Amino acid sequence: GQQLNQSPQSMFIQEGEDVSMNCTSSSIFNTWLWYKQDPGEGPVLLIALYKAGELTSNGRLTAQFGITRKDSFLNISASIPSDVGIYFCAGRYNAGNNRKLIWGLGTSLGVNP
Amino acid sequence: NAGVTQTPKFRILKIGQSMTLQCTQDMNHNYMYWYRQDPGMGLKLIYYSVGAGITDKGEVPNGYNVSRSTTEDFPLRLELAAPSQTSVYFCASSYSSLASVPLPYEQYFGPGTRLTVT
Repeated sequence: GQQLNQSPQSMFIQEGEDVSMNCTSSSIFNTWLWYKQDPGEGPVLLIALYKAGELTSNGRLTAQFGITRKDSFLNISASIPSDVGIYFCAGRYNAGNNRKLIWGLGTSLGVNP
Repeated sequence: NAGVTQTPKFRILKIGQSMTLQCTQDMNHNYMYWYRQDPGMGLKLIYYSVGAGITDKGEVPNGYNVSRSTTEDFPLRLELAAPSQTSVYFCASSYSSLASVPLPYEQYFGPGTRLTVT
């Protein structure tokens, strides 16, 4: 079935560094969502995007809905240890009565204090 | 609001046993979902429901059953547990209305149930 390509698969950075990750799809999407999952917890919604070109921030996090509608990017500025976790992208492709999200496999982020 | 709650948090089953994973939400969301997450993997949709009395299969429904008799509850049943069903199970909910803002695809997750089948 449909799948999103999320990259990088994992990354390990120094505290204070900026981080970028992205998701791409083969289909046109009309919704992009970014979630964070802490160890042992369920995913928590960070940012939701609904329009091509949209740029939305949530504190140190900024996400963009690509203008081709086939990709999305998440940036984290000035990383801190509590940013550690797995970041998932999810999207909904534009097809009639589609009610389901497609999920990426996640980017695992480690932060060295 | 408690949000989405799931019980139990952990469970160990023997092969062939059955159990029900409970999920309740108090946000008056009409959509509810069950996912499983295997180690190092993303989320796979098992079943979903768009309202009381309506359920539909997701990506990996085999070996599971669901029911939705109320808006709040969406239990997931495993009839004959198999080792391949060892996973972490997440329930999620969202709200959908043609007139709603935000749009309906923002899903809110419970804390998960860790199931081991041996």
